[in-house]
Amino acid sequence: EPEVTQTPSHQVTQMGQEVILRCVPISNHLYFYWYRQILGQKVEFLVSFYNNEISEKSEIFDDQFSVERPDGSNFTLKIRSTKLEDSAMYFCASIPVEGSVIAGELFFGEGSRLTVL
Amino acid sequence: KQEVTQIPAALSVPEGENLVLNCSFTDSAIYNLQWFRQDPGKGLTSLLLIQSSQREQTSGRLNASLDKSSGRSTLYIAASQPGDSATYLCAVKPTNAGGTSYGKLTFGQGTILTVHP
Repeated sequence: EPEVTQTPSHQVTQMGQEVILRCVPISNHLYFYWYRQILGQKVEFLVSFYNNEISEKSEIFDDQFSVERPDGSNFTLKIRSTKLEDSAMYFCASIPVEGSVIAGELFFGEGSRLTVL
Repeated sequence: KQEVTQIPAALSVPEGENLVLNCSFTDSAIYNLQWFRQDPGKGLTSLLLIQSSQREQTSGRLNASLDKSSGRSTLYIAASQPGDSATYLCAVKPTNAGGTSYGKLTFGQGTILTVHP
């Protein structure tokens, strides 16, 4: 069964360093998303991406964050200068095309755990 | 602003018991509701998706119901097994999904289920 894959599974970084989290969405999906989950807290929406541009972002997604689809298959989340509070599990998700995209269910990857020291 | 609440926060049951997990949401203008399973340190696995026009969905031992007008959904697990032990999350997608809100889910905090032999 097709799945969303994410790398790395775990990354440890020093505060202030740049981090890039990578995702390969399911091949026929058109909408891509990043969510995050701080330990013990709810899963939170960060950003949605369609047709090579951001379609929506949350207040969490400030100037330190950016997303891009560099090569038509990978979808990346970059954190420019990490802070301690960026430590979280970051999930990539995508949604299929099934007639109306609105009706589709989200498929999530296994997540990338980011630890900022 | 949509708020999603899940009750109970944790549940421990003996194997074989039937159980119900509850999810409530404050804004009934939802397009669909999705139930997920999350194992410790892992990603989100979609269990069931209920469109707002539907009353229930079934998959194996799982049955999810939706009462949109009262802002409630339940996940019924029949004949529970130790392998069902996980955190169960519900998430709602808003109705106003006109091209920019596809996949912007609002999650509950989850119910931690433990099924002991």
